[in-house]
Amino acid sequence: DTGVSQDPRHKITKRGQNVTFRCDPISEHNRLYWYRQTLGQGPEFLTYFQNEAQLEKSRLLSDRFSAERPKGSFSTLEIQRTEQGDSAMYLCASAERQGVVEKLFFGSGTQLSVL
Amino acid sequence: TQLLEQSPQFLSIQEGENLTVYCNSSSVFSSLQWYRQEPGEGPVLLVTVVTGGEVKKLKRLTFQFGDARKDSSLHITAAQPGDTGLYLCAGEGAGAQKLVFGQGTRLTINP
Repeated sequence: DTGVSQDPRHKITKRGQNVTFRCDPISEHNRLYWYRQTLGQGPEFLTYFQNEAQLEKSRLLSDRFSAERPKGSFSTLEIQRTEQGDSAMYLCASAERQGVVEKLFFGSGTQLSVL
Repeated sequence: TQLLEQSPQFLSIQEGENLTVYCNSSSVFSSLQWYRQEPGEGPVLLVTVVTGGEVKKLKRLTFQFGDARKDSSLHITAAQPGDTGLYLCAGEGAGAQKLVFGQGTRLTINP
């Protein structure tokens, strides 16, 4: 499978614990996005990378959230001291630019439940 | 911050009917995309529109980009149960900015 893969698919954790999610993008894509989606809403931008450089981080993200993309390949998103409000689907997307258009290819997401 | 408003938020119709969903903004976008999302999966790209006034067709789906590049519509002809899903519009601002999404239209087609 040459698509975007995310691991784990589901994560249940207790409030206060740390969690880390992994995203493996399509290998030839140099841009990678993280979004968060709650039930019935559209994806909400969290951060994105061009190669290993983090270009932008949403102001909605507290300092409990950190993302990395070492060597410009896979990416990890870590949430420290999780809160119930962090429960959501975390989506990763690999991006391909075709002229003026950037097309996103999403993984299946990691569903986080904080108890 | 560029915002996209989608309407309606929910739509439930009978198989065979036609429908239109809308995506509106006060901002100009260099391109606008439509995605469809199934439960438990990530969104899948349907189409991209770039030029003001552009119309694209994908089988029974017709997408239009507004002349001023601030809005878009998706029209489905003779809807089928397989069209059920969350339809999302997403826009990219000038200068290769990040893609921002609307809140989506949840469409249900009843047999």
